Amino acid sequence: QLQLQESGPGLVKPSETLSLTCTVSGGSISSSSYYWGWIRQPPAKGLEWIGSIYYSGSTSYNLSLRGRLTMSVDTSKNQFSLKLSSVTAADTAVYYCARHLRDGHNRGAGGIDYWGQGTLVTVSS
Amino acid sequence: QLVLTQSPSASASLGASVKLTCTLSSGHSSYTIAWHQQQPEKGPRYLMKLNSDGSHSKGDGIPDRFSGSSSGAERYLTISSLQSEDEADYYCQTWGTDIQIFGTGTKVTVL
Repeated sequence: QLQLQESGPGLVKPSETLSLTCTVSGGSISSSSYYWGWIRQPPAKGLEWIGSIYYSGSTSYNLSLRGRLTMSVDTSKNQFSLKLSSVTAADTAVYYCARHLRDGHNRGAGGIDYWGQGTLVTVSS
Repeated sequence: QLVLTQSPSASASLGASVKLTCTLSSGHSSYTIAWHQQQPEKGPRYLMKLNSDGSHSKGDGIPDRFSGSSSGAERYLTISSLQSEDEADYYCQTWGTDIQIFGTGTKVTVL
């Protein structure tokens, strides 16, 4: 059974960089059939896609976050990571990592079929 | 612009059925979507992938009570024999090249 587990600081100061890692177990992050993504959910709000990455390192980012966002993958550790710079209170959210099926029309990441349990990140001084 | 529209809320009695709708924006009626369930204080859970022709593939362990169907730009999730644990938020998701979109979610209340 595939499992994804987010890890990282639960508290980040404003203007600093938020860093999270997702560890994948029960499957290989190097599979050509999947992409890997980050999604966040501010308190009492809906889901917002942050970005997705392929095992090769190819990325797609939410345009609203581009410029502050860097995603990377470490196939040797079966992990992928997120860095979001210059954070503000608006970045306070539960952050989820997830697995995407590969889109059948070669458009990259498709639907999500597995989710991590999520980790709350609070931006506050 | 790729957008998904969902009604904010729906309700039905215990043991009854409820049908949720997710509407794709104009020009995107052929798109595949995914449905996800988020129970209170929990992370989302994948329910199914739903194609424009109504064919769908469900996630591991998803009960037969959950089914999907399509008509034009509308994608439906029907929950039959409603249980108390079905009280949750339901999100639809779709995607294109370098973009992922979520609907705003429908809160289902079991009466």
